[in-house]
Amino acid sequence: DIQMTQSPSFLSASVGDRVTINCKASQNINKYLNWYQQKLGEAPKRLIYNTNSLQTGIPSRFSGSGSGTDYTLTISSLQPEDVATYFCQQYNSWWTFGGGTKLELK
Amino acid sequence: QVQLKESGPGLVQPSETLSLTCTVSGFSLTSYSVSWVRQPSGKGPEWMGRMWYDGDTAYNSALKSRLSISRDTSKNQVFLKMNSLQTDDTGTYYCTRDDGGPGYWGQGVMVTVSS
Repeated sequence: DIQMTQSPSFLSASVGDRVTINCKASQNINKYLNWYQQKLGEAPKRLIYNTNSLQTGIPSRFSGSGSGTDYTLTISSLQPEDVATYFCQQYNSWWTFGGGTKLELK
Repeated sequence: QVQLKESGPGLVQPSETLSLTCTVSGFSLTSYSVSWVRQPSGKGPEWMGRMWYDGDTAYNSALKSRLSISRDTSKNQVFLKMNSLQTDDTGTYYCTRDDGGPGYWGQGVMVTVSS
C-alpha cells in the first residue's frame, strides 16, 4: 500500500503569509494527487486535482505542484477563511490520504 | 446537482454489524463509481471500498474480511455492511463519488461503537 506523509502536522501563520504544506508518497504516484480542505464539522472539499489543477470555484491563491513522490500545496496569501485542516490524497493505486495539516491563524 | 447522503445508526454495539445507506442524486450509479471513506476524529480519512459503475466491488485489504458493499440502482442507493465492529471503528463515515479521487462527498454520518 502507498503511504502518504504530510508535513507539518500543525501550522500557525498570519493573514497575508505564504503557506506551504508538503506531502511525500512512499513510492512514485505519477502526479495522481489531490488536495482537500476540511473545516470543522464539514466534509472535505477538493481544492486541487491531478497535482496542479484548480477545482472550479476555488480561489487562485491556492496552487499545487510536485512530481514523483514529493508534492506541495501553496496558499499565496493566507486569508482568515483558510483556517482548516488540509489533506493530500493519492489515487495512483487505490486511495490513501495523508494525516492532515491543521492550519491556524497566528 | 450531484448529491450524496449517508444514513444509518449513530450507535453500534461492539462485535455487531454496521449497516449504512448512501442515497445519491444528480448522477447514475451505472455511470459513476461510489466509494466509502471513513475518518476517525482528528485523523486522516481512510478509503474503505468501492462500488464500481459496472457493479463490481473493491475493498481495502485491511477491511476486506469484514466489509461488504452492494447497490440498488433502481433506488439510487449504495450499501455498506461491516461486521465485528470494535471501538476503533468509531468515526465519521462518508460516501463519495469517484472523479479521479473523491470529487463529491456526502455530509457524513457519525458512528460510535460503544456498549
